[in-house]
Amino acid sequence: ETGVTQTPRHLVMGMTNKKSLKCEQHLGHNAMYWYKQSAKKPLELMFVYSLEERVENNSVPSRFSPECPNSSHLFLHLHTLQPEDSALYLCASSQLLLAGGYNEQFFGPGTRLTVL
Amino acid sequence: GQQLNQSPQSMFIQEGEDVSMNCTSSSIFNTWLWYKQDPGEGPVLLIALYKAGELTSNGRLTAQFGITRKDSFLNISASIPSDVGIYFCAGVGYGGSQGNLIFGKGTKLSVKP
Repeated sequence: ETGVTQTPRHLVMGMTNKKSLKCEQHLGHNAMYWYKQSAKKPLELMFVYSLEERVENNSVPSRFSPECPNSSHLFLHLHTLQPEDSALYLCASSQLLLAGGYNEQFFGPGTRLTVL
Repeated sequence: GQQLNQSPQSMFIQEGEDVSMNCTSSSIFNTWLWYKQDPGEGPVLLIALYKAGELTSNGRLTAQFGITRKDSFLNISASIPSDVGIYFCAGVGYGGSQGNLIFGKGTKLSVKP
């Protein structure tokens, strides 16, 4: 596997279900991100993990719970979601520069989530 | 908060035509990125711009970082059917965290053979 992979690619769940999305990066990066992509809206940053610590949470509802067990893996645990949470969930990774500055984010293919 | 205005929202062009799209902001950015997203896939980075005035090419694609640091454009020359997709601009602002990547709403490109 190369790049950033995400599983599953498609997920349909009921509002009372608990599910998890998985992301794995094979690029040796030390920062990982979750984004939500809804129709006709810009990509929304949900969570940022840098060196396995969460550094940013853009006021995401608690029904979304991220987990970053190591620098290569990122999970998004889902519980009691609402139909409006249906969207494409994208994972990305990048390499932080210790001296400051930004390295490009590389995206996975996404998980298409439908909440019934 | 910081926002990017990307235009046009969509384009329908004939194969072989040139394409131009742009992003503007009321805020200054220190990095501009252009991504392309194919249906069912995640965005793929096309071009990254790091300095005001920088002009960078990637094959038939050319992008520029505006002198004011508040805008960027992407040009595609001699379009082909595989150019179809959604193109996103993204910017990183001054003082932002590593995760502070702001995206435009995208330009959907359709190419008629």
